[in-house]
Amino acid sequence: SSELTQDPAVSVALGQTVRITCQGDILRTYCATWYQQKPGQAPVLVMYGKNNRPSGIPDRFSGSSSGNTASLTITGAQAEDDADYYCNSRAGSVDRWVFGGGTKLTVL
Amino acid sequence: QARLVQSGAEVKEPGASVKVSCKASGYTFTGHYMHWVRQAPGQGLEWMGIINPTGRRRWYEEKFQGRVTLTRDTSTSTDYMELTSLRSDDTAVYYCARDSSRWFGANQGWWFDPWGQGTLVTVSS
Repeated sequence: SSELTQDPAVSVALGQTVRITCQGDILRTYCATWYQQKPGQAPVLVMYGKNNRPSGIPDRFSGSSSGNTASLTITGAQAEDDADYYCNSRAGSVDRWVFGGGTKLTVL
Repeated sequence: QARLVQSGAEVKEPGASVKVSCKASGYTFTGHYMHWVRQAPGQGLEWMGIINPTGRRRWYEEKFQGRVTLTRDTSTSTDYMELTSLRSDDTAVYYCARDSSRWFGANQGWWFDPWGQGTLVTVSS
């Protein structure tokens, strides 16, 4: 399958650690990429490759991958991390890309 | 730094066509592919297609085949997405996003950065 599966919603207490996961067979071959989206705004890249943060993204964000699962971990979640998070990857050998359904992260 | 600026909101009747533009600045336009992604109200992100740096090759998500056309004007560093035969369920925010890629060990990865600000297309009679 070339699809990506995410939990629809996750919550975390302020200052605690949360892991958002993305599953799909294509992740055995291609790296997952993670985007953060806040209401009314365009998505923002927060993680790419194995564990690469763009400039400006806090180091509390980290990425990992094992088998068919990629994870985005926020260590010490802040109120401003309350957002939707989408994983994305190339969908196989053809020139097609796919997004996960998104995870709504609530920081309590 | 790299920046993508999209055209303004559109309201179209069912059956009509819409053409959204995406003007790039701050980087070598012909050095990158460009993706188009849409997001229906309250829904997730949906990949639509990609155009290559010269504008001579495009690849589309199967569900949009025959209705979407991506074009590129390298003289103005502008990409275009045209969607025809509009339906009410085409109401969405449409984004352009610059493609980058490289190898990370044995795995290749792609990322979309930056994104345009989005263009709301409303299809309504």
